[in-house]
Amino acid sequence: GAVVSQHPSRVICKSGTSVKIECRSLDFQATTMFWYRQFPKQSLMLMATSNEGSKATYEQGVEKDKFLINHASLTLSTLTVTSAHPEDSSFYICSGTEGLSSTDTQYFGPGTRLTVL
Amino acid sequence: AQSVSQHNHHVILSEAASLELGCNYSYGGTVNLFWYVQYPGQHLQLLLKYFSGDPLVKGIKGFEAEFIKSKFSFNLRKPSVQWSDTAEYFCAVNSLNDMRFGAGTRLTVKP
Repeated sequence: GAVVSQHPSRVICKSGTSVKIECRSLDFQATTMFWYRQFPKQSLMLMATSNEGSKATYEQGVEKDKFLINHASLTLSTLTVTSAHPEDSSFYICSGTEGLSSTDTQYFGPGTRLTVL
Repeated sequence: AQSVSQHNHHVILSEAASLELGCNYSYGGTVNLFWYVQYPGQHLQLLLKYFSGDPLVKGIKGFEAEFIKSKFSFNLRKPSVQWSDTAEYFCAVNSLNDMRFGAGTRLTVKP
């Protein structure tokens, strides 16, 4: 299957700093990328959907000024958590599809664990 | 609000036992249904999906799932589990590009 990587796999930062997480599709062109957040023992919560070259579409309740998403190329999307606070600590997972719909098979990255001190 | 429920948080089975993991959703319209699996230390992978047609869907590694529209269910089954099936299983439902995941079921298979 198609491979998606995320970098870094773990990051610890101080409160108030910004953190950038990269999501790359290694062997396919990800027309659409999705960013999820997962809390312990809870389901994946979709944060936003981004299409290459377009502004991301954020889910209700997700602050777009806090979680900046850039999808500048067909193989790279970035999520920047700005002015991070301890409540932003979570597991962030990205996925990509070759098509434009979330019904297309999503290929998931391994996730990034963010800890904000 | 639309939701996806996986009733079993943790299931423990012995090898060769049969498996059924429940998944129910609350969407009223047309849905696309998925089961994803996450093996220890690995990323989520698609196990199987249902879009239309035969409501009994066969996936990889001997898994299958049955879509029962009247029950809003998409339960995952395997006749005989193996130790290597130890993983976390997530049900997901998509309706009109609204994708939601269940909380996941951790399956532990004892050798």
